[in-house]
Amino acid sequence: GDSVTQMEGPVTLSEEAFLTINCTYTATGYPSLFWYVQYPGEGLQLLLKATKADDKGSNKGFEATYRKETTSFHLEKGSVQVSDSAVYFCALVPLVGSARQLTFGSGTQLTVLP
Amino acid sequence: SQTIHQWPATLVQPVGSPLSLECTVEGTSNPNLYWYRQAAGRGLQLLFYSVGIGQISSEVPQNLSASRPQDRQFILSSKKLLLSDSGFYLCAWSAGARDSQETQYFGPGTRLLVL
Repeated sequence: GDSVTQMEGPVTLSEEAFLTINCTYTATGYPSLFWYVQYPGEGLQLLLKATKADDKGSNKGFEATYRKETTSFHLEKGSVQVSDSAVYFCALVPLVGSARQLTFGSGTQLTVLP
Repeated sequence: SQTIHQWPATLVQPVGSPLSLECTVEGTSNPNLYWYRQAAGRGLQLLFYSVGIGQISSEVPQNLSASRPQDRQFILSSKKLLLSDSGFYLCAWSAGARDSQETQYFGPGTRLLVL
């Protein structure tokens, strides 16, 4: 079945550091790929998404590129802020099926220190 | 624009008591609806999903149930809560077949503590 593997956390960075959170997936065909962010005590917010190979999703300074050859969708940000502290989830939806369901990674806790 | 509401925001219930959590979506019609549970420090587990009124699919066997009495209303219930039912419950919606990417949008969640 489909699966998503995320970089183990927690990750602690200083403000303005470069961020990479690795995400790889296993799925048939070309799934849609997502990054969600969960701030403390809140629900999940869609951060960015990509639907086909070589697509780059971007939002709020975060970027991720859909790499079919490496089955990866790594999240990056050039300069993190304290307000980016949250849990980040990588997820996929398969290409076909009814009520196609999100498969989530286990989440990566990011803490940014001032 | 579409919005999704969940209530209550927080709930403390004794073991063996009933449960009813409600989720409603505004600004869209015939959405797919989902219930997830997030245990403390862990990822998300899909509990139920629905593609239409009265249509419920269960992903995991448990003492919870779901119902969809109206197009944009999704209810999570239990007759008798267990300690292991504690967690953060998230409702989500998607546009179904109208969105080829099947993007899901999440509500603010309900934090349930069973004592």
